[in-house]
Amino acid sequence: EPEVTQTPSHQVTQMGQEVILRCVPISNHLYFYWYRQILGQKVEFLVSFYNNEISEKSEIFDDQFSVERPDGSNFTLKIRSTKLEDSAMYFCASRPRILNSPLHFGNGTRLTVT
Amino acid sequence: SQQGEEDPQALSIQEGENATMNCSYKTSINNLQWYRQNSGRGLVHLILIRSNEREKHSGRLRVTLDTSKKSSSLLITASRAADTASYFCATLYSGGGADGLTFGKGTHLIIQP
Repeated sequence: EPEVTQTPSHQVTQMGQEVILRCVPISNHLYFYWYRQILGQKVEFLVSFYNNEISEKSEIFDDQFSVERPDGSNFTLKIRSTKLEDSAMYFCASRPRILNSPLHFGNGTRLTVT
Repeated sequence: SQQGEEDPQALSIQEGENATMNCSYKTSINNLQWYRQNSGRGLVHLILIRSNEREKHSGRLRVTLDTSKKSSSLLITASRAADTASYFCATLYSGGGADGLTFGKGTHLIIQP
């Protein structure tokens, strides 16, 4: 069964550094998402992406965040200047075009900002 | 703002028993979904129920939705040790342009062998 893959599984970075989290969504999916989960807390929506542009973003997704689909397969989340509070699990998800279709999540990237 | 909340926060039962988890939300929704998360892993979709549906089954899972009370329940029958995980409900707001799911805090389910 096709799956969403994320790399790296764990990223450690220093405060103020830029990080890029990578995702390969399922190939025939058209909607892409980033969520994050701070340890012990709920999963929070960051951004959705469709047709090469952001379709919705949350309050968390401020100017420090950006997303890109640089080619036909990768979907990336960039954090320009990381803060300690950015430490979390970041999950990529994708779904096909049909509205009432579930999300397929990757296994996440654990980001640790020191 | 829309918010899904599950209860209980934690549930420990014996293998073979049924587990029931509840979810409440605040706004009108397009659909409600349940996901499972094993420790340190991604979320796995279990079942989706649309706002015009009242009950749905999938294997040992049964989900109900009461839009008048803005609540849903997930029942896992004949639980197994492998069902140990966190379970989250997530809602899709029915307002125009909304595409992101809103997750609850989850129920941590432990199945005692």
